[in-house]
Amino acid sequence: AQSVAQPEDQVNVAEGNPLTVKCTYSVSGNPYLFWYVQYPNRGLQFLLKYITGDNLVKGSYGFEAEFNKSQTSFHLKKPSALVSDSALYFCAVRPTSGTYKYIFGTGTRLKVLA
Amino acid sequence: NAGVTQTPKFRVLKTGQSMTLLCAQDMNHEYMYWYRQDPGMGLRLIHYSVGEGTTAKGEVPDGYNVSRLKKQNFLLGLESAAPSQTSVYFCASVTGTGAYEQYFGPGTRLTVT
Repeated sequence: AQSVAQPEDQVNVAEGNPLTVKCTYSVSGNPYLFWYVQYPNRGLQFLLKYITGDNLVKGSYGFEAEFNKSQTSFHLKKPSALVSDSALYFCAVRPTSGTYKYIFGTGTRLKVLA
Repeated sequence: NAGVTQTPKFRVLKTGQSMTLLCAQDMNHEYMYWYRQDPGMGLRLIHYSVGEGTTAKGEVPDGYNVSRLKKQNFLLGLESAAPSQTSVYFCASVTGTGAYEQYFGPGTRLTVT
């Protein structure tokens, strides 16, 4: 079965430190990869995506993500965390053949400590 | 340009009651989706639509029905609500060409007692 794993329920990081939120996937072919952020009592907001090309993609609010095909991973990163980055982050995958569905991970709560 | 809107924002139902959740998008997107979000389970796909007049089942369709009579609207119906349907419901839409990222509505918090 196709799946997306976010192995950490919560990530704590000090303000100003780099952060990484992990995502791995088990999907055949060359899927499209996405990161979304959800603030309390809000809908999900798109951060960035990988479709093709450079393995390092840049997105909103200073976030970037690194695609690693051999490890089937798409980790979200930011060089210097802000307290305002504290939120719930979701990784999502869309297979590129035979479906219009998206598969979401269970989410990782990021807590940036002042 | 309002993006994706959802009506209502909150609702409390008694077991056995019915209701319809409305999702509307003003971006002329082809694809629309209904998800439910439960703690620790991420987003689970209920139903989706790849165009006006078409719908398809997602991962957890039981107890729900949908309709897409107009391109901009995607309705989610609960015919006989059950406590297990207590959740936060999100609608999303995607353009049919090129971009692929989903645009989400603000959510509807539904409680079934």
